[in-house]
Amino acid sequence: NAGVTQTPKFQVLKTGQSMTLQCAQDMNHNSMYWYRQDPGMGLRLIYYSASEGTTDKGEVPNGYNVSRLNKREFSLRLESAAPSQTSVYFCASSEFGPQHFGDGTRLSIL
Amino acid sequence: AQSVAQPEDQVNVAEGNPLTVKCTYSVSGNPYLFWYVQYPNRGLQFLLKYITGDNLVKGSYGFEAEFNKSQTSFHLKKPSALVSDSALYFCAVRDPLSYNTDKLIFGTGTRLQVFP
Repeated sequence: NAGVTQTPKFQVLKTGQSMTLQCAQDMNHNSMYWYRQDPGMGLRLIYYSASEGTTDKGEVPNGYNVSRLNKREFSLRLESAAPSQTSVYFCASSEFGPQHFGDGTRLSIL
Repeated sequence: AQSVAQPEDQVNVAEGNPLTVKCTYSVSGNPYLFWYVQYPNRGLQFLLKYITGDNLVKGSYGFEAEFNKSQTSFHLKKPSALVSDSALYFCAVRDPLSYNTDKLIFGTGTRLQVFP
């Protein structure tokens, strides 16, 4: 039972490069979420998807785009990476209950 | 605005002693409250939740939390701390404006350090 799987686990980018973070869940959940975690700031919601075919902005969407490819997969794209986007990114899913989290992608932008 | 506050960045406790990690909230309507734990290099793991009913909620790993409506608090507790409880703890409240998802508003986290 994998739960929520995120790839890659680590990535280093140069400023201006693009990258897509992948997330897949096997729990048949309708809702999926992307967060970033920075020291002292807790988790901040970037984008979320209430169901397949819908996406909405969260608290910090600037510089990011998302795609809800199907019910299982929700990807996060950085079109032109900036050093301020250095962070740990978490994907989560839920179905009218507690959110279930992946183990994160650690992204460094030089 | 809806918010969650965790007033302590770090809590230190000796193994075997009781522990408390504090959380207060500010939301409209009845709150749905959660506690999560994060171990190093891992995602958040659900510990317990309060939706309605008994103000004392029991969860995983021997943790419990007490809901206090008058003080708008939801403190996490454990009668006897273990070194293995050392981790980062997050309090969260369901966004009351989120009608079709389980959007959460998180606190900034409290690092619990249990000393042998």
